[in-house]
Amino acid sequence: GQQLNQSPQSMFIQEGEDVSMNCTSSSIFNTWLWYKQDPGEGPVLLIALYKAGELTSNGRLTAQFGITRKDSFLNISASIPSDVGIYFCAGQYFGNEKLTFGTGTRLTIIP
Amino acid sequence: EPEVTQTPSHQVTQMGQEVILRCVPISNHLYFYWYRQILGQKVEFLVSFYNNEISEKSEIFDDQFSVERPDGSNFTLKIRSTKLEDSAMYFCASSEHLGGTGANVLTFGAGSRLTVL
Repeated sequence: GQQLNQSPQSMFIQEGEDVSMNCTSSSIFNTWLWYKQDPGEGPVLLIALYKAGELTSNGRLTAQFGITRKDSFLNISASIPSDVGIYFCAGQYFGNEKLTFGTGTRLTIIP
Repeated sequence: EPEVTQTPSHQVTQMGQEVILRCVPISNHLYFYWYRQILGQKVEFLVSFYNNEISEKSEIFDDQFSVERPDGSNFTLKIRSTKLEDSAMYFCASSEHLGGTGANVLTFGAGSRLTVL
């Protein structure tokens, strides 16, 4: 099956720093999604990307759909304590319902 | 904001027992899903359901698992005879459209934690 690898696996940063994480796939997707998961909660959608090359922002978050359709990155600017959590990328095909999730990036903010 | 609700939030069961996890998807959504997340691992697709039938299932979703939409609002996942390795967080999700159309967004519930002893 498809593999989505995220890097880094974990990040320890100070409040106010910018964050960058990415996701690479062994096969192409038509839609890339970024979700955040807080402890004990379900994934919450942050950004959806529908076109190769697309760059989309949601507040301090910016994500891009790679031109090859096999990768995506997520940037968070000026991190704040509530950014702590696990970030998952997910890929989706046209006409297919299921999401394939990445391995996750755990973000920790050091006081 | 509309949300997907799941019950119970946590269930502890003995190996071999049957478990039913319940979900109430968002009311105007047509596609329903179950995903699983073993502790510390990624979220894995189990099954999708549309028009009262399974539309796709993963290799994890074997004969021990079944899904049902018993009425107009609930969507259930049944595990017939639980195994230790079924211990995980189970997430229900729903969406309005098919994937990749630009309008499809899966909304996830908060999950049901299943612990099999």
